[in-house]
Parts: sequence; structure tokens; C-alpha cells
Amino acid sequence: EDKVVQSPLSLVVHEGDTVTLNCSYEVTNFRSLLWYKQEKKAPTFLFMLTSSGIEKKSGRLSSILDKKELFSILNITATQTGDSAVYLCAVEGRGSQGNLIFGKGTKLSVKP
Amino acid sequence: DAGVTQSPTHLIKTRGQQVTLRCSPKSGHDTVSWYQQALGQGPQFIFQYYEEEERQRGNFPDRFSGHQFPNYSSELNVNALLLGDSALYLCASSFVGGTEAFFGQGTRLTVV
Repeated sequence: EDKVVQSPLSLVVHEGDTVTLNCSYEVTNFRSLLWYKQEKKAPTFLFMLTSSGIEKKSGRLSSILDKKELFSILNITATQTGDSAVYLCAVEGRGSQGNLIFGKGTKLSVKP
Repeated sequence: DAGVTQSPTHLIKTRGQQVTLRCSPKSGHDTVSWYQQALGQGPQFIFQYYEEEERQRGNFPDRFSGHQFPNYSSELNVNALLLGDSALYLCASSFVGGTEAFFGQGTRLTVV
């Protein structure tokens, strides 16, 4: 059965800290892994990863995929209070495009 | 360019009733997927519509049904509502063969 496990489930840090969020997965015929940020309702897209070892960056956020060990990490440097949100990891299998299997998410709280 | 729009934003229904939720995809997108997100959980895939047909379905009972119209908009119908159907219902749109899915703000359904 396809599944995604995220850790930790919750995290409290102070502004300026660096955090690493983890995502491990099992999926039949892997196609892609996606990270989303969910603040109130709509998950907003962060990254899509398909190849191992290639880091994707957007400002203070970066992510990398290891297809051999079946995991991904999302790094956030110099955290700000606006980074407080639930971060969702999802995987997509070939032949089931658009059917995203989500983890439970990591709730990040950044204190001033 | 409007993103994915969903209506209504909130809804309260009584057990046993039926409900219809609506979704308009992002301009240029032809595929709509529906997700159910219970409190503290990641979104769970319900089904996907493309070319007005249900293409994939998750592990949800037949009480959950849908429709896609020629303009690519979609409806999610839930019959014989149960208390456990209370959740945030998210619509995501994409185009076939494309990359990431874009999510709407969701409909918060409360069954009492």
C-alpha cells in the first residue's frame, strides 16, 4: 500500500532557526514527490521533485530527494513567523497522475 | 487569472442529508481532483475527473459521486451524510501531462 510518513508531526522553533522536515515514502512506480505549505485552507505548492540528488531552492526554502532511500527533506533557513504552517509531503505514482498520497503533515510554529 | 475557486466556503448539514460542492479549475486546466481532509490529517484522494469522466477513484464509498462539465468545472456530491463526513473538502486542478496541482481554498463541511 502506498504511504507517506512525515516527521516530526510538530515542531516549535524561534525566529532565525534552521529547520529540517522529513518525508519518507513507499509508492508503486514513483513519478514525483511534492511539498506543499498549508496555512489556513488551500495548500500552496512549494516544490516538485522527480530526480535524486538535485536540490531545488526557492529563497530560504530548499528540498532534495533520495530515490534510493525513499525520502525527501525540506529545509527552511532563517525561519520567520510567516513560515508557521503545516507542511505537507505528497507522492504520485506513474499511472495515477494527479492522485496524490499525502502524509499527515508537519506543523511548524515559529516564535518571535 | 483566477486560481481554483470553490463554493461554498462553509456548509452545515444534518445527518442523512445530501450536499453538493462546486469547483472551478484554474484557467487552462482540464483535470479536477477532489480531496477530503479531516482535522489533523493530510488530504485523502476521493476521485479525479478528466474529459467529463471519472478517471481514478480513491477508497471512498459510492455515497461520494461527482461530475465534470464541458467547461471543466466540477461538482462533488455526497449522499446520506454521516458525522464522519465532516471535513475540509479540497479541489485541485491540473492539466493532463502537466506538473503540480493547484488547490482551491476548500469547503468546510460540518455534519450535525
